[in-house]
Amino acid sequence: DSGVTQTPKHLITATGQRVTLRCSPRSGDLSVYWYQQSLDQGLQFLIQYYNGEERAKGNILERFSAQQFPDLHSELNLSSLELGDSALYFCASSAGNRGRVEKLFFGSGTQLSVL
Amino acid sequence: AQSVTQLDSQVPVFEEAPVELRCNYSSSVSVYLFWYVQYPNQGLQLLLKYLSGSTLVKGINGFEAEFNKSQTSFHLRKPSVHISDTAEYFCAVGSSGSARQLTFGSGTQLTVLP
Repeated sequence: DSGVTQTPKHLITATGQRVTLRCSPRSGDLSVYWYQQSLDQGLQFLIQYYNGEERAKGNILERFSAQQFPDLHSELNLSSLELGDSALYFCASSAGNRGRVEKLFFGSGTQLSVL
Repeated sequence: AQSVTQLDSQVPVFEEAPVELRCNYSSSVSVYLFWYVQYPNQGLQLLLKYLSGSTLVKGINGFEAEFNKSQTSFHLRKPSVHISDTAEYFCAVGSSGSARQLTFGSGTQLTVLP
């Protein structure tokens, strides 16, 4: 158990809808990362938050947004969903120390199916 | 249920020496295997993956890995490392089952010394 909790584990929805994925980081970790995993593309970095503020942005679509709350949990919001958004979405957390390689701890992922 | 064990949390090695980062997995169904690398201050990126076919998989930056079903291993190798290979490396296993979960190992910190 990594200590990172993601809910829900599975989500089935229709095109055009909006969903929210939730992540609780490991106790004491200040950084949260969101990744999208598809079998053919591997893991794509979406966005990173540190102590409530955006720190780094990757290949995140404009239809997607995220935030980190004062209690450090994070939510990833996906709107105007398309079939191609079906994927496994991962959250990871780390202590958040700059200038060094941080050990990441991954949640088990949320499987999103857009029908 | 599936799990991944990366046997070494830290691997120091001298520049131009060969390196092997070990990864063992357990799963009750067919698996897909991945190696990811995280460079300082960057997100993860895919090094290589095994989905099916040849058990020897070649990836980016001169890395390769061999899928060994009998030993349930997917060790990552490079014949000659560079300073720039210093990073954290993650092994991950995904299953072909309906849950389609991906499980990551705890990571191996590779430090290449001059």
